[in-house]
Amino acid sequence: AQSVAQPEDQVNVAEGNPLTVKCTYSVSGNPYLFWYVQYPNRGLQFLLKYITGDNLVKGSYGFEAEFNKSQTSFHLKKPSALVSDSALYFCAVRDGSSGGYNKLIFGAGTRLAVHP
Amino acid sequence: EPEVTQTPSHQVTQMGQEVILRCVPISNHLYFYWYRQILGQKVEFLVSFYNNEISEKSEIFDDQFSVERPDGSNFTLKIRSTKLEDSAMYFCASSPPAGVSYNEQFFGPGTRLTVL
Repeated sequence: AQSVAQPEDQVNVAEGNPLTVKCTYSVSGNPYLFWYVQYPNRGLQFLLKYITGDNLVKGSYGFEAEFNKSQTSFHLKKPSALVSDSALYFCAVRDGSSGGYNKLIFGAGTRLAVHP
Repeated sequence: EPEVTQTPSHQVTQMGQEVILRCVPISNHLYFYWYRQILGQKVEFLVSFYNNEISEKSEIFDDQFSVERPDGSNFTLKIRSTKLEDSAMYFCASSPPAGVSYNEQFFGPGTRLTVL
């Protein structure tokens, strides 16, 4: 069965410091991995994805994530956090082995709080 | 930039009533999805739809739920007889058949359903 774990309910970071939001996954086939961000009372906004190729992927708003196959991880990172990055972050996985319509399995979400 | 739209943004209904949530996916997309997020919980897959039929559905998507693409642009989720536990944010998503954004799912802003 596919699953995603985000071990931290909340991450607190000072503005200007680097941030990491952790994600590990389990999938039977090829993992297609995604990060989405949700601001209060808003929908899910796509940040970045890993499908194949370079393990380090860069996305919107200066975020990046590193795919680590041996550790089955896909941690989200940013070198210098902004207060405006404060939001709820979801990691998601789908099995890339079949079909263009496979469902996304989401983690429980991690609330990022960036303090001035 | 094209977006997935959803109406209404907030729906309040009495228990036992039927509701229809509406979505307009991005125009050239072929895969359509409904997800829901109960307050404070993770985003959960409900159903995927391709080529005018359901591709996959979750355990949540029981006989009380149905989906339809009544014309070339709308994608609807119907709940026949709402229960208190159906109160949630419902997200529609769509994904394209090919190209750079293949494998991404683009989410709408959501409809907040409140069942009283």
